[in-house]
Amino acid sequence: GENVEQHPSTLSVQEGDSAVIKCTYSDSASNYFPWYKQELGKGPQLIIDIRSNVGEKKDQRIAVTLNKTAKHFSLHITETQPEDSAVYFCAAPAGGTSYGKLTFGQGTILTVHP
Amino acid sequence: NAGVTQTPKFQVLKTGQSMTLQCAQDMNHNSMYWYRQDPGMGLRLIYYSASEGTTDKGEVPNGYNVSRLNKREFSLRLESAAPSQTSVYFCASSEGPGPYEQYFGPGTRLTVT
Repeated sequence: GENVEQHPSTLSVQEGDSAVIKCTYSDSASNYFPWYKQELGKGPQLIIDIRSNVGEKKDQRIAVTLNKTAKHFSLHITETQPEDSAVYFCAAPAGGTSYGKLTFGQGTILTVHP
Repeated sequence: NAGVTQTPKFQVLKTGQSMTLQCAQDMNHNSMYWYRQDPGMGLRLIYYSASEGTTDKGEVPNGYNVSRLNKREFSLRLESAAPSQTSVYFCASSEGPGPYEQYFGPGTRLTVT
């Protein structure tokens, strides 16, 4: 099955700085990589995803990059704001292309200090 | 449009007791999922249902059973609760078993003593 490793486990930045979270995966057949944000006391919510036919995707202050050769993908948040403080999870399909069954990373607690 | 709803929000059980966690979605989604979340472990898939009438094991199915009651509802049952099942449980749904966004409920915090 798929193995997803996420780093760092905690990340503390000043407001306005950039934040980068990296994930590695094990199954070269995986081709869909979502990122979820979880605020305190709530369920996770999708913030961005990328498919393997592109190397980068942007949505305002958030971007995801994918390196299929190295089997890693990263979340980039620019101009961070206090409301970006949350837990972020990466994921990949369990078993390569079993999209419905996602394997999640261990999560990154991002704290943005005003 | 409530999205994904879960009941109860909190529950305390004694070892050996049974209970059912309820989940319902009003988005006409085909696929539904049950996850557990433990500190430092991320979210782990317990069971999922790709479509009404089908269920499949996830990463950590032992000690659990599921029922896809209809297209809207997907329940998770603990037959004999153990302290190792203390966790936060999330239900989710998506359009189908493809690369679709999964919509999560607010979670159920379960403590087994």
